[in-house]
Amino acid sequence: SQTIHQWPATLVQPVGSPLSLECTVEGTSNPNLYWYRQAAGRGLQLLFYSVGIGQISSEVPQNLSASRPQDRQFILSSKKLLLSDSGFYLCAWSVTGGVEAFFGQGTRLTVV
Amino acid sequence: AQSVTQLGSHVSVSEGALVLLRCNYSSSVPPYLFWYVQYPNQGLQLLLKYTTGATLVKGINGFEAEFKKSETSFHLTKPSAHMSDAAEYFCAVSEAGGFKTIFGAGTRLFVKA
Repeated sequence: SQTIHQWPATLVQPVGSPLSLECTVEGTSNPNLYWYRQAAGRGLQLLFYSVGIGQISSEVPQNLSASRPQDRQFILSSKKLLLSDSGFYLCAWSVTGGVEAFFGQGTRLTVV
Repeated sequence: AQSVTQLGSHVSVSEGALVLLRCNYSSSVPPYLFWYVQYPNQGLQLLLKYTTGATLVKGINGFEAEFKKSETSFHLTKPSAHMSDAAEYFCAVSEAGGFKTIFGAGTRLFVKA
């Protein structure tokens, strides 16, 4: 069966520090991968999605970037965090041309 | 472009009462529609989905939803609320064969004893 791992679960970082959140999927090949952000009291905002290694699509301009160095690995990064980057970050995957997305357990990021 | 509107950011019901969470969507092509549930500090879990076929879809935990194309709606219902149903619920839409799932803003369900 397929599983998705996302870490860390919680993170507190100072303003201006770098960020690296990692997500890996097991049990499937060539998944579509996604990063969502959920800010307090708001819905899920799609940040990035990837349909293959090295292929990243950005949905909104922001202080973040994403990379997909391996087929089942998706990384969310920032060079310098802002206070507004605080939120709950969710990684997800779906099969190519598939239907529903499957979510990781999320990372609670607090920028102080 | 696709979009989802969930009516009511907060819904409160008594235990045993009907749960009705409203969702309207916009899509230029036949949509796939979903309801997800999120418990505090956790990821999202799929409750049910509509792709094609029967418009009344049954999901886990006694929830169901009906796709009404004429009303562009996909409301979520449960006949009798349980305390364990308290969570945040998200309606979502995607295109068949597409890459992106677009979520509504979410509705937090409170269940009173």
